[in-house]
Amino acid sequence: DAGITQSPRHKVTETGTPVTLRCHQTENHRYMYWYRQDPGHGLRLIHYSYGVKDTDKGEVSDGYSVSRSKTEDFLLTLESATSSQTSVYFCAIRGLTGTGNEQYFGPGTRLTVT
Amino acid sequence: GENVEQHPSTLSVQEGDSAVIKCTYSDSASNYFPWYKQELGKRPQLIIDIRSNVGEKKDQRIAVTLNKTAKHFSLHITETQPEDSAVYFCAALAPSNTGKLIFGQGTTLQVKP
Repeated sequence: DAGITQSPRHKVTETGTPVTLRCHQTENHRYMYWYRQDPGHGLRLIHYSYGVKDTDKGEVSDGYSVSRSKTEDFLLTLESATSSQTSVYFCAIRGLTGTGNEQYFGPGTRLTVT
Repeated sequence: GENVEQHPSTLSVQEGDSAVIKCTYSDSASNYFPWYKQELGKRPQLIIDIRSNVGEKKDQRIAVTLNKTAKHFSLHITETQPEDSAVYFCAALAPSNTGKLIFGQGTTLQVKP
């Protein structure tokens, strides 16, 4: 499982509240990614990071921000959660072996915004 | 930017039959194409991948073929088993150094015993 954990695994929150999801990795991977998964849409990239304090937007970044203050942690924040952000969120890391392009996913966080 | 289309969205086969899932991509500069399997409630797992300098790659009962001219690639599963039932995603690497993957919409494969 490439040493990736996500917390919390499940969360229910109310519209308008801030939410932070955490991705933690133990193998010193430089690249980390946040995706959301919704039925019929596959996996869509929200934000990614290519090093400490180096982040960039993905295809569905509106309403989300990220931070990476140390290599092992990549945080995803919903500043003011909306019902459209109800989804399953996956973190991924870019592998260090093989082609160097493989991505390995964390266990996911199921977020429900009521 | 890169776009990936995946078909079919659902596929039902009898145990022992073969299953084929197809994806097309838009950016001819893409050079890496992975396939992921996701069981219900689990994370996507990388099952096979192919680079653009290779036309076919096999791993036991699964294989991936790539047609660069037509910009499409396919996953082939032979001798399907009930445990192959899952959602399968294809992806293409966006042509940059960021490692960004663009995913297809997914195919739900059901293998009937």
